[in-house]
Amino acid sequence: AQSVTQLDSHVSVSEGTPVLLRCNYSSSYSPSLFWYVQHPNKGLQLLLKYTSAATLVKGINGFEAEFKKSETSFHLTKPSAHMSDAAEYFCVGSTSGTYKYIFGTGTRLKVLA
Amino acid sequence: DAEITQSPRHKITETGRQVTLACHQTWNHNNMFWYRQDLGHGLRLIHYSYGVQDTNKGEVSDGYSVSRSNTEDLPLTLESAASSQTSVYFCASSSGQGNEKLFFGSGTQLSVL
Repeated sequence: AQSVTQLDSHVSVSEGTPVLLRCNYSSSYSPSLFWYVQHPNKGLQLLLKYTSAATLVKGINGFEAEFKKSETSFHLTKPSAHMSDAAEYFCVGSTSGTYKYIFGTGTRLKVLA
Repeated sequence: DAEITQSPRHKITETGRQVTLACHQTWNHNNMFWYRQDLGHGLRLIHYSYGVQDTNKGEVSDGYSVSRSNTEDLPLTLESAASSQTSVYFCASSSGQGNEKLFFGSGTQLSVL
């Protein structure tokens, strides 16, 4: 069975410092993996997705994520945090050939001035 | 532009009442999903549909029903609202199998008093 685990429920960083949001997955098959961002009172917006074409995936707003099969990880990073990055982030997994998406429990990112 | 809209944005109801939340998408997507979002649980799947006349139960389907009479709409009905169903509800759609991105509505905040 597939599962997605976000290792931190809350992360705080100072503006201008790097962001690391951690996600581990388990899957019997090659997964598709996504990161979504949710700003307050908004729906979820896709940041980036991995579908086996390249292990380093670049997304919007300077975010990127690296798929590491040996570590079963798909961590989200950004070199320099902005105040506007403060939001909740969800790691999502799916198995190709199915229609089901498995959501992590979310990581709330706080950016300190 | 194509979009996915949910209505109402906010709803307050009383226990025992029937409530219907609307979801309408103009992406012409076959797949539609209903999720609920609760603190500490991330997004949990309530019901989903792969096309007209197709509906399936998700992990938290008790007390909810859906119907799919056309491609654009997947209304979610709470048969007899309970306080445990106070939550934020998101509708989403996708075009294909699990490696396609989900498009989300802006959500409905439902309070059952």
